[in-house]
Amino acid sequence: DVKVTQSSRYLVKRTGEKVFLECVQDMDHENMFWYRQDPGLGLRLIYFSYDVKMKEKGDIPEGYSVSREKKERFSLILESASTNQTSMYLCASSSGGYQPQHFGDGTRLSIL
Amino acid sequence: GDSVTQMEGPVTLSEEAFLTINCTYTATGYPSLFWYVQYPGEGLQLLLKATKADDKGSNKGFEATYRKETTSFHLEKGSVQVSDSAVYFCALWETSYDKVIFGPGTSLSVIP
Repeated sequence: DVKVTQSSRYLVKRTGEKVFLECVQDMDHENMFWYRQDPGLGLRLIYFSYDVKMKEKGDIPEGYSVSREKKERFSLILESASTNQTSMYLCASSSGGYQPQHFGDGTRLSIL
Repeated sequence: GDSVTQMEGPVTLSEEAFLTINCTYTATGYPSLFWYVQYPGEGLQLLLKATKADDKGSNKGFEATYRKETTSFHLEKGSVQVSDSAVYFCALWETSYDKVIFGPGTSLSVIP
C-alpha cells in the first residue's frame, strides 16, 4: 500500500529555532508537496517539487525553505520559527498530472 | 484564477440521513475534480474523482457527478453512518495550472 510518512506527529519548538520537518514516500513518486492547514483557511501550498533538487514556491513560501536531495524525501525547513507558523503541516506526493495526491498523517507544530 | 467553493458547515446529520455537500468551481480549462476526506487525526485521503464532464465518481457509498454546465461536483451519500464523520474537501487539478486547488473543507458530524 502507498505510504507517506512524516517524521513527527507532534512537535514543540521555540521562537527563533530552525525547524526541520521530514517527509518520506515509498511510491517512487516524482512530485512532492508541503501544505499547512489552519482552521477557516483550508490547505495552503507552501512549496512543491517535481524532481530531485528541484523546488517551486507555492502560495505562502515566506519563512520556509525546502530540500529534496533524494527522490523519496522532501524536507520543509523553518529558518527562524515564529509563533504564526504554529499549524498542522501536511506532506503529499503524487505521480503527476491529474493523479491524486497521497498524504501523510500530518505534523502538528507548536511554536512557543 | 481557478478556485473551488464549498459549503463550509459544520454539517450535523443523524445516522441514515441523506448527505449532500455542494461544491462549485471556477476554471479556465477542463479540470479533473476530486473529493478528499480527512478523518480525525489523519491526513487527507482520496475519496473519489472524475476526469471529464458527465463522469460519475463513486466510492464507499459516496457519489459525485462532474457537471460542466453548472461547474459543480456535489458529493452525495444516501445513508450516512457515524463513521463518516470527517472533513470533506473538494479539489480540482487543471493542466495549465499544474497544481491541485482545494476548497476550504466541510466538517460533517453524524450522530447516532
